[in-house]
Amino acid sequence: DIQMTQSPSTLSASVGDRVTITCRASQSISSSLAWYQLKPRKAPKLLIYTASTLETGVPSRFSGGGSGTDFTLTISSLQPDDFATYYCQQYNTYWTFGQGTKVEIK
Amino acid sequence: QLQLQESGPGLVKPSETLSLTCTVSGDSISSSSYYWGWVRQPPGKGLEWIGNIYYSGSTHYNPSLKSRVNISVDRSKNQFSLKVSSVTAADTAVYYCARLVYNHGIQHFDYWGQGTLVTVSS
Repeated sequence: DIQMTQSPSTLSASVGDRVTITCRASQSISSSLAWYQLKPRKAPKLLIYTASTLETGVPSRFSGGGSGTDFTLTISSLQPDDFATYYCQQYNTYWTFGQGTKVEIK
Repeated sequence: QLQLQESGPGLVKPSETLSLTCTVSGDSISSSSYYWGWVRQPPGKGLEWIGNIYYSGSTHYNPSLKSRVNISVDRSKNQFSLKVSSVTAADTAVYYCARLVYNHGIQHFDYWGQGTLVTVSS
């Protein structure tokens, strides 16, 4: 099994802050990684796939990077709508999610 | 605009079978390059992939759930379904259905339903 470990688990930030979330795979997954945004009672939203490709319609303040085992999701200037929980997901071997990072208001 | 909607009982008794259906609108479930999948989120926990199905019936299952899970597709109704047998309280979760892009090594979920809470309790 490929395990995905995200850090931090919770992140407190203010509107306008630059925020970075890290995701580490237990073995190399090349660029087979996606990022999702989850809000209560809403459909999860795909943000990024193949580690760095922005999904159509996702604001450009979101960006992804990394390959192999270490990946990042960066929000360049946090907006009120961005307070949510973020999950990474590998699809190199089956599909596994990280444990999530909650971005909360500081 | 593609939409997915989960439906099914919100309460299931222990040892019984959980059954959910996902209705797809705005696209054909027989579209090539897409699988259709189920993901769940227990209360206070992270996401867990359950399994996927192609319109032809080809499936992938999470090895940790494979012995209790069955996913099927009904092309005539543009629906796919999930069954989890012998449920326990650990199966209590919000269950999501989603479309899986499956093309040349790209395999991410691009559209999701809003999710439905299923509670396992007597």
